[in-house]
Amino acid sequence: DVKVTQSSRYLVKRTGEKVFLECVQDMDHENMFWYRQDPGLGLRLIYFSYDVKMKEKGDIPEGYSVSREKKERFSLILESASTNQTSMYLCASRETSYEQYFGPGTRLTVT
Amino acid sequence: RKEVEQDPGPFNVPEGATVAFNCTYSNSASQSFFWYRQDCRKEPKLLMSVYSSGNEDGRFTAQLNRASQYISLLIRDSKLSDSATYLCVVIPYTGGFKTIFGAGTRLFVKA
Repeated sequence: DVKVTQSSRYLVKRTGEKVFLECVQDMDHENMFWYRQDPGLGLRLIYFSYDVKMKEKGDIPEGYSVSREKKERFSLILESASTNQTSMYLCASRETSYEQYFGPGTRLTVT
Repeated sequence: RKEVEQDPGPFNVPEGATVAFNCTYSNSASQSFFWYRQDCRKEPKLLMSVYSSGNEDGRFTAQLNRASQYISLLIRDSKLSDSATYLCVVIPYTGGFKTIFGAGTRLFVKA
């Protein structure tokens, strides 16, 4: 079974803090993704990576950056957290097929 | 206009009922289509792909109508365990990374 894990299920941070969300997959997938999910808006792509050290902006990259130093690990960084970044963050990975495997999600609250 | 639109519901149906959801997409060149299922406070998981000729998986039937640009999901003999949010997913370009998720349709199946 493919396993995608995320570092935290719940996180509470203060405005202005730097926040790191980590994602690890164990299936040697090339492609990894970070989404945020908000009620009524569905999943929106923040960034994706198709190889180590390679990254591409998704639909809503502002206020976020990513790092992929190892194939299995894809990190999302909020440089200076703001209240409008309160959301559910989902990491996913996939190989050549289109099926995406999601991690359990991190519910981030910024106060 | 959203690229992928779904009726948010909720659909409240009794056990044993047949229920159908539609999803419309705006890009007529879209290539691949899927239904994902998301349980409350869980990550999305692939339910089934949608093929041009239509396809069935047990009690679930998926259809694609390219002329009208919609896909549908039919659930027969609903079970309590079918209660979830169903996400319509469209991949606009063959081989591309972009994946567009609908906001989801909530289904409640009641005893």
